[in-house]
Amino acid sequence: EVLLLESGGGLAQPGGSLKLSCRASGFTFSSSAIAWVRQAPGEGLEWVSTSGTFGDTYFADSVKGRFTISRDNSKNTVSLQVSGLRAEDTAVYYCARLEPTGLSKYFDYWGQGILLTVSS
Amino acid sequence: EIMLTQSPGTLSLSPGERATLSCRASQSVSTYLAWYQQKPGQAPRLLIYDASKRATGIPARFSGSGSGTDFTLTISSLEPEDFAVYYCQHRKNLWAFGQGTKVEIK
Repeated sequence: EVLLLESGGGLAQPGGSLKLSCRASGFTFSSSAIAWVRQAPGEGLEWVSTSGTFGDTYFADSVKGRFTISRDNSKNTVSLQVSGLRAEDTAVYYCARLEPTGLSKYFDYWGQGILLTVSS
Repeated sequence: EIMLTQSPGTLSLSPGERATLSCRASQSVSTYLAWYQQKPGQAPRLLIYDASKRATGIPARFSGSGSGTDFTLTISSLEPEDFAVYYCQHRKNLWAFGQGTKVEIK
């Protein structure tokens, strides 16, 4: 069974930093790209970042330069380091697997999500 | 950046009725389009990928169609558990979602 479990959320100050982690199980982790998708309260889904299988990384314009993503294939974990936090970064952050075909087009499995609140 | 626009914003229907949801892309995304269902307090669930292929375990009442810039998700006969928010998503260069369509009980 494919499982994705997020951790590390909570309350952070504007301008502050936090590290979100996603631990995966039930599939060959090194063969799958992993992404973060967020959802602000009462809003829609927003793709944030992707960690590809070849060390490639991608970011939405809204977080570029402030967020970094990394993966540890030995621990089946992807981490999202968020910094320069703003109130508009407040959201539930989902970790999601990209279907393990060549183009990594779609999010086929999702974690339950973790809340990050940015407030003073 | 390719934008996805979903319509209508809200669809009010009764169980047993047919639901037709639209997703329009600002540029062609070929058939690189997926649909997701999200219920309150839950993570999204993949329904349709490559515009028309049902994901594993998705009932046959869900179908997708379209290519290029215009796509449709059809629910042939709404079941009580189908009332939810639906998002389309493309993977043409990066990834992006539409703003969602809420299917509510009339």
